[in-house]
Amino acid sequence: DTAVSQTPKYLVTQMGNDKSIKCEQNLGHDTMYWYKQDSKKFLKIMFSYNNKELIINETVPNRFSPKSPDKAHLNLHINSLELGDSAVYFCASSQGLGDYGYTFGSGTRLTVV
Amino acid sequence: SQQGEEDPQALSIQEGENATMNCSYKTSINNLQWYRQNSGRGLVHLILIRSNEREKHSGRLRVTLDTSKKSSSLLITASRAADTASYFCAPYTGGGNKLTFGTGTQLKVEL
Repeated sequence: DTAVSQTPKYLVTQMGNDKSIKCEQNLGHDTMYWYKQDSKKFLKIMFSYNNKELIINETVPNRFSPKSPDKAHLNLHINSLELGDSAVYFCASSQGLGDYGYTFGSGTRLTVV
Repeated sequence: SQQGEEDPQALSIQEGENATMNCSYKTSINNLQWYRQNSGRGLVHLILIRSNEREKHSGRLRVTLDTSKKSSSLLITASRAADTASYFCAPYTGGGNKLTFGTGTQLKVEL
């Protein structure tokens, strides 16, 4: 019954590898997001999709590529992982962009070694 | 878009006491949202207060909004150990802008 589910919950990988994080929401929301939370708890938006269309693309390295096969799914692929990519990545969804609250997934803790 | 700034950064209280957290922002908003994040978990939406509202309640939570001062406060009454978490405010400016978050107030409720 999880509203926004992310997999995997933990990801430990070596520098240079490519990895993907998957996100699915069953709320019928039309907008999905990826946020990155650093060690100081600062949450920074990375991408936002509305009905499969990319609408927000922050200053994020090209190594990060989101993909939305349908409005219930938003995946994040990261190429050539670097130490600085270590963080917790959150997927979220909402109806509209900010007129209603966001529902967050439980996060994916990525550790690059 | 703009980021809210929460104050204080950290707050420690005894169970049963009230906890007040403040949020300041810089430009006009459409609404302001408060979220809670328990350790190791995602953010949970608590309350959304629109720019034409001054106060909103949800259970033990009370949120106020003063658009003239560009500030909001979150009051948790009769706090419990389970309220220990980080609390974030997120002002939304509307117009399709993104929702941005600050670094939150870390609340610790001790038994």
